[in-house]
Amino acid sequence: DQQVKQNSPSLSVQEGRISILNCDYTNSMFDYFLWYKKYPAEGPTFLISISSIKDKNEDGRFTVFLNKSAKHLSLHIVPSQPGDSAVYFCAATDPRGAGSYQLTFGKGTKLSVIP
Amino acid sequence: DVKVTQSSRYLVKRTGEKVFLECVQDMDHENMFWYRQDPGLGLRLIYFSYDVKMKEKGDIPEGYSVSREKKERFSLILESASTNQTSMYLCASRPTGGISSGNTIYFGEGSWLTVV
Repeated sequence: DQQVKQNSPSLSVQEGRISILNCDYTNSMFDYFLWYKKYPAEGPTFLISISSIKDKNEDGRFTVFLNKSAKHLSLHIVPSQPGDSAVYFCAATDPRGAGSYQLTFGKGTKLSVIP
Repeated sequence: DVKVTQSSRYLVKRTGEKVFLECVQDMDHENMFWYRQDPGLGLRLIYFSYDVKMKEKGDIPEGYSVSREKKERFSLILESASTNQTSMYLCASRPTGGISSGNTIYFGEGSWLTVV
């Protein structure tokens, strides 16, 4: 059963506008959430994260919001730039047992920023 | 900067061949991982290791094995390659301790494997 879900496989946004990428999860024990960005033929790179005790974390153009009651988080990119075009993965970690070693990833959302 | 190096970027192998994918990290990380990425399926964990000679199965270990004889090196082995193992393989590492913004997973650039 998929514990981290990114229901939109793709998203297209005009340059300069806001991009909103969504992620839902089912495991209430997840205590840390991360977003990774991946360009074709490269490995994913860490973008931004949020602890489960917070509801917002901001880093420049990137903001992540967490709604624990809804088990939902979102990544906002403002303003969107063509260089932001990539696949974005949502990930989460469970502090219990083997889950504490690893991240559980969603399937990714491909963002295309149109100039 | 953390460096995770995958020795082969692009490989083409025949069905039934034994395939070795090598990964080296230079930051003395305890934990190392092998993922595969497929369109529409995201990143799926094959195996991980939290110490030398230690290994744990991930979500899709069937058809794969791993070896970790030295802390910096984690190898993925396909004993008998099949066409459904054609994929991008990603090695990753991270230090011990809880995952946080300062303790996250670092990925290599990936190895594209085509099995014909």
